[in-house]
Amino acid sequence: AQSVSQHNHHVILSEAASLELGCNYSYGGTVNLFWYVQYPGQHLQLLLKYFSGDPLVKGIKGFEAEFIKSKFSFNLRKPSVQWSDTAEYFCAVLPPNAGNMLTFGGGTRLMVKP
Amino acid sequence: DGGITQSPKYLFRKEGQNVTLSCEQNLNHDAMYWYRQDPGQGLRLIYYSQIVNDFQKGDIAEGYSVSREKKESFPLTVTSAQKNPTAFYLCASSSRQGAFEQYFGPGTRLTVT
Repeated sequence: AQSVSQHNHHVILSEAASLELGCNYSYGGTVNLFWYVQYPGQHLQLLLKYFSGDPLVKGIKGFEAEFIKSKFSFNLRKPSVQWSDTAEYFCAVLPPNAGNMLTFGGGTRLMVKP
Repeated sequence: DGGITQSPKYLFRKEGQNVTLSCEQNLNHDAMYWYRQDPGQGLRLIYYSQIVNDFQKGDIAEGYSVSREKKESFPLTVTSAQKNPTAFYLCASSSRQGAFEQYFGPGTRLTVT
């Protein structure tokens, strides 16, 4: 079945460490890609998105993601994490011909130690 | 404030009872969605509605029902036929045009015992 995979379920980092969260998808054709974040006790919110153009996308709070079409990947990165980045992160894909229905990955729970 | 409201935040029910979760949006969005969030499984689509008086099943619709009588409202009923109803339920909405960004409500945690 076609899917979105986030291989890291739990990640623990110290403050100032660099972050990379993996996201792979199995859909062919043109896809739109998203990263959402869910801070403790808060709504799920959009971190960044890729539709076309420059495959390196900048988002809020210093996050970025790189779309590598040949690898079917859209990994999320941040050079230096802060304690306030502790949250659950979800990758989502809008497959071709899906209307506006997203398929979400399983999520990665990030804990940043102060 | 524009946004999506879900009520209640926590809901407890006995097994065998139907329960309805509320979702209201004032973003003037045409499309609305219901997701179920379980640990390690991400968000799974239950039902979605692109326009008033129309809705379609998502990936895990069995045991759930919805209605879309008004643009701003999309209630979800968890029926007694749903085998594992205890979960966190998220409602979302999006514009039918443009960037397809979905906006989410705060969620309802349903516990069925």
